[in-house]
This record gives sequence, structure tokens and C-alpha cells, in this order.
Amino acid sequence: GAVVSQHPSRVICKSGTSVKIECRSLDFQATTMFWYRQFPKQSLMLMATSNEGSKATYEQGVEKDKFLINHASLTLSTLTVTSAHPEDSSFYICSVQTGENQPQHFGDGTRLSIL
Amino acid sequence: TQLLEQSPQFLSIQEGENLTVYCNSSSVFSSLQWYRQEPGEGPVLLVTVVTGGEVKKLKRLTFQFGDARKDSSLHITAAQPGDTGLYLCAGAGGTSYGKLTFGQGTILTVHP
Repeated sequence: GAVVSQHPSRVICKSGTSVKIECRSLDFQATTMFWYRQFPKQSLMLMATSNEGSKATYEQGVEKDKFLINHASLTLSTLTVTSAHPEDSSFYICSVQTGENQPQHFGDGTRLSIL
Repeated sequence: TQLLEQSPQFLSIQEGENLTVYCNSSSVFSSLQWYRQEPGEGPVLLVTVVTGGEVKKLKRLTFQFGDARKDSSLHITAAQPGDTGLYLCAGAGGTSYGKLTFGQGTILTVHP
């Protein structure tokens, strides 16, 4: 069964809107979740590591004020794209690692389209 | 910075043909995962290899982990249209603790 639930699967909104994406870990308490961005026909690009109860760790070049991450519980991390613009349009995917040296399990992704 | 070079980037073959995808790095990984992703969905884990020299088989798919744990390959025998998708290798451990280092991906198209 699914390990990770990501919602919504698709968002279309106007430029300037803030969009929140949820990532839930099912049947597992995740102290760490990961957020990725993916462009068409390309690999995944890690944006940030979401840490339960503390600040997220952002990768170089990712604006933390643009992509707000909140990991308030052991089963939920949220990514908010603030004041989204067309260049933020992409496929955003979260993942959960179920233990040290265990593989990551991915959500089904969120297709974000900014008009 | 750890890099995982994946090749080829694109592969277009006929049903029934065999193929191999490679992932190479100068870094040592504690494990390496292979994922398959279909359009509009998240990657799905196919296999994890942990031990140097390890070989794992999943029906028509054979995965190898290099002896030095720096490289891996995925071989598909008698490819079918249902194998079409984006294949991703990802290394865990090494200097990027807790994170995965992804290859560039291989887009496989199997024509009937």
C-alpha cells in the first residue's frame, strides 16, 4: 500500500497566489521528509529537507522565503509556494525515508501551473 | 558534491529487445536504489542494492551493484511496452548523509 500521500495532485492558479502542498506519511512517523522539484523529462532536484519540529534545510539556490516548509507533526509536512509566478510552474514531489539506510518512498506529486 | 552519471538519457527500442542502463560515480554509496516513474506520478521503488557485487532480479529486470559500490546497472530482458517510463538511479550515504543523489534519468520507450 501507499506509504506517502500528497495533496493536491494538480493546481492551476493565477500569478501572485500562494499555494500549499501537503505531504502525509501513512502508518509511519517521519522525522524527516524531502521536497523535490522536477521539470519535464528530467530527474528530481532536491529542494529541501523537512525536519519535524525544527527549521527545514534548504539546498543551495532554493529561496527559503519563496518555498516555505512546515513540518509540525510526525506525519505531515507542507510546502507553500508564496506569491507564485509562471516560472514556479513545475512538478513538486515529496518523499519519506522510513529509516536509516532505507529507501525513500515518494508521493504521487503535485503538478503546479501558474497562469 | 556527489555526482551520479546515468546513461543513456534516452532509449527507444522495439518490443522484445534487451537493454542496459548504467549509473556511474566516483563516490562510494552505502546503497543504491532504482526507481521507475510514469508521467504525472511519483517514482516507484524497484529495488535497493546494498552489498558490493550484489545482483538482484525482479522478473525480467536484473540489477547489479559494482564491487566498489560506485556504480550500478539495470538490465531489462525482452522489453515490453509496459516497461516504458523514466528510470532513475539514486545513491544513498556517502558524503550526502540522509539525502539521495539522483542520476539524470533514462527515458525508455518500448514500441510494440
